[in-house]
Amino acid sequence: KAGVTQTPRYLIKTRGQQVTLSCSPISGHRSVSWYQQTPGQGLQFLFEYFSETQRNKGNFPGRFSGRQFSNSRSEMNVSTLELGDSALYLCASSLGTGGAEETQYFGPGTRLLVL
Amino acid sequence: AQSVTQLDSQVPVFEEAPVELRCNYSSSVSVYLFWYVQYPNQGLQLLLKYLSGSTLVKGINGFEAEFNKSQTSFHLRKPSVHISDTAEYFCAVTRTQGAQKLVFGQGTRLTINP
Repeated sequence: KAGVTQTPRYLIKTRGQQVTLSCSPISGHRSVSWYQQTPGQGLQFLFEYFSETQRNKGNFPGRFSGRQFSNSRSEMNVSTLELGDSALYLCASSLGTGGAEETQYFGPGTRLLVL
Repeated sequence: AQSVTQLDSQVPVFEEAPVELRCNYSSSVSVYLFWYVQYPNQGLQLLLKYLSGSTLVKGINGFEAEFNKSQTSFHLRKPSVHISDTAEYFCAVTRTQGAQKLVFGQGTRLTINP
């Protein structure tokens, strides 16, 4: 089975712009979670989508949003970019049974640099 | 709310030496515990997880971890490391009830010297 894929792998934007990141989960996985990784704050949970609905949400401002399509692919959008949004954005997929014991499989990430 | 503290930000060891990466957590509810590894320019890969039962958990690549409820710790160990173990290691927790929402520690960078 192919793993979790994320596109693009690298991205450079300027302050005030918006950006959309894409994540394709492992075939058969219905849950997609997004994480932000920065040197200062570490790994932080953004949100989780299951069956095209946001099921769980972290503590990020409304500029961060996401959606999931019927084929379980997910996109994450950040509007009005700030310098502090520079980070590695990781996507993870799982079967989506809803149990906390599930294993999440991570993609390689999208590295976003905001200038 | 849950929190995770990884006590060492960097751990240098020699090849074939044993290693222990320390993790302590705080939570007012029951949690599941995980260790993930991140190799350079890659995403995270699950090493092992503790759900219930035996407190000694064996994972991939020869790693194991021991859950200690009284000390709220979940330390990761390997008896003999290899150069290929050079990576960043993350301890994470999630509450047992409800959907998974991982809370990660700050990570420990393991460097193996020949």
